[in-house]
Amino acid sequence: GDSVTQMEGPVTLSEEAFLTINCTYTATGYPSLFWYVQYPGEGLQLLLKATKADDKGSNKGFEATYRKETTSFHLEKGSVQVSDSAVYFCALSDPYSSASKIIFGSGTRLSIRP
Amino acid sequence: GAVVSQHPSRVICKSGTSVKIECRSLDFQATTMFWYRQFPKKSLMLMATSNEGSKATYEQGVEKDKFLINHASLTLSTLTVTSAHPEDSSFYICSAPGGRARAFFGQGTRLTVV
Repeated sequence: GDSVTQMEGPVTLSEEAFLTINCTYTATGYPSLFWYVQYPGEGLQLLLKATKADDKGSNKGFEATYRKETTSFHLEKGSVQVSDSAVYFCALSDPYSSASKIIFGSGTRLSIRP
Repeated sequence: GAVVSQHPSRVICKSGTSVKIECRSLDFQATTMFWYRQFPKKSLMLMATSNEGSKATYEQGVEKDKFLINHASLTLSTLTVTSAHPEDSSFYICSAPGGRARAFFGQGTRLTVV
């Protein structure tokens, strides 16, 4: 079945460091890909998405490119801030579901040191 | 934007009792809602798909009699954890489809069974 694999955390970086969180997926068909973020004490929020190959999603300085050839959707940010500390989930939508069933990766906890 | 409200955010209950968690779509109608469970340091696992006016669809391995789902109206789905035990302690989160392969998430419910 469909699945998402992302790098295990926790990831600890200093402020202004470069961030990469790896994500690869397995799916039949052509899924949409997402990164969700969960800040401490809050619910999940959509960070960015890409719906087809070579699309780049971006938001709040984060970027991820839908790479069909490598089945990847790595999350990057050039200069992280303390406020970016959160848990990040890579996810895909079931391409055969008309009601947006989403399959998540295991989540990566990111901590940014001042 | 669309908002999904989940209540309660935290609940502590005694072993053997039942707990109801509500998920409401505040400004839109949702014929389908999804219930997820998040284990510590692990991914969000889809438990079931809640369908308005009909029976919920459960994922493999999820006990239907343990996790009762009711979707009585277009804006409300409930998850009842029956005869709760400590192993049911977890973070439960609901979502509603937002079109174009998106989903809107509730704030989540932290259940602790003592």
